[in-house]
Amino acid sequence: LAKTTQPISMDSYEGQEVNITCSHNNIATNDYITWYQQFPSQGPRFIIQGYKTKVTNEVASLFIPADRKSSTLSLPRVSLSDTAVYYCLVGLDTGGFKTIFGAGTRLFVKA
Amino acid sequence: DSGVTQTPKHLITATGQRVTLRCSPRSGDLSVYWYQQSLDQGLQFLIQYYNGEERAKGNILERFSAQQFPDLHSELNLSSLELGDSALYFCASSSVGSRETQYFGPGTRLLVL
Repeated sequence: LAKTTQPISMDSYEGQEVNITCSHNNIATNDYITWYQQFPSQGPRFIIQGYKTKVTNEVASLFIPADRKSSTLSLPRVSLSDTAVYYCLVGLDTGGFKTIFGAGTRLFVKA
Repeated sequence: DSGVTQTPKHLITATGQRVTLRCSPRSGDLSVYWYQQSLDQGLQFLIQYYNGEERAKGNILERFSAQQFPDLHSELNLSSLELGDSALYFCASSSVGSRETQYFGPGTRLLVL
């Protein structure tokens, strides 16, 4: 199972673009990269998933370089309501579907 | 609304007691996952069931057990409760596939006094 490394926290201001990078040096060939968002006292919510290059949806973009050893979640024009913890997940345990959530990145958006 | 339901929303009990948390997955989802999240901590994977069978086990204590029933709902049983078991317990479900997206329920907040 690929281990991920993310910054512990980030600060931003409303209206700015926020980029959160996740390192996953030992990502396997079949692994996908998935990002979740969690607000306090709520369950995580799926944001975006990708395998390579770039994926975009109505909420975010995910950039994955050719070597796939890292990925960047991009949140365009954040608002106060984007203050949350963001988790990067890579792959699944080959012995079973064991999901490992890291510590995540705590994003603070200021007015 | 993720489509995953969990009951009860809140639970207050005493040390040494036993409680059961219930989860109903999204319609059609065969996999159910259980997680524990203590205050200001990350999500700890406990166990996964797929179509009634245990699929993967994480850091689940021997005092904890789970099962998934034929109608696909799942129960997490916590026994001999300790103060440190106070936490949010989340259930998630997903459809078939090795990269399935997990949909999380609202959680059950357990307080052990």
